[in-house]
Amino acid sequence: NAGVTQTPKFRILKIGQSMTLQCAQDMNHNYMYWYRQDPGMGLKLIYYSVGAGITDKGEVPNGYNVSRSTTEDFPLRLELAAPSQTSVYFCASGSGRTKNQPQHFGDGTRLSIL
Amino acid sequence: AQTVTQSQPEMSVQEAETVTLSCTYDTSESNYYLFWYKQPPSRQMILVIRQEAYKQQNATENRFSVNFQKAAKSFSLKISDSQLGDTAMYFCAFLKTSYDKVIFGPGTSLSVIP
Repeated sequence: NAGVTQTPKFRILKIGQSMTLQCAQDMNHNYMYWYRQDPGMGLKLIYYSVGAGITDKGEVPNGYNVSRSTTEDFPLRLELAAPSQTSVYFCASGSGRTKNQPQHFGDGTRLSIL
Repeated sequence: AQTVTQSQPEMSVQEAETVTLSCTYDTSESNYYLFWYKQPPSRQMILVIRQEAYKQQNATENRFSVNFQKAAKSFSLKISDSQLGDTAMYFCAFLKTSYDKVIFGPGTSLSVIP
């Protein structure tokens, strides 16, 4: 009963480095999402996917890329890390029962850019 | 654009007492969904309750209930018989039925005091 699994849990990057945040779900959900949560703020949608091979931009997509080659996996890529990308990142999935409502969240990845 | 406002950044309640968290939203739509999510210190996001705008009856899930006032665009969460495990950030969220993105409010930090 894994649900949504995110790796890593913590990461420190230097400015200009790149990395991929991994997200996997085992519930056969079509909908998957990436959010960032800044201190004292709600969640902002970065990218989302309604199924394998389909992705779309959310509210704050700049500086990020995603891919969805399988139903299970939805990695988030940071190409040139910037201090403004310091945040906690949440991956989520949903069955689509209520349109695009995220139902299950991962535990989050705390990312610091120094 | 849709916005979600939570005017209470922090609240506290004595164990076993009742507390109400406020949420207002702005939309010109008539059909939409509203949610309350809970984020405990573990940072896992948990869906607490969901309300469909076309339903007049207020949603209830065990000790959690909402007061949905569509004309006033208000969606408050009532927690009865508060428990220590209710200590968390609570996020109000809005989803327009024809829109792809869930909009989150800034959150209310609730502390349950023994």
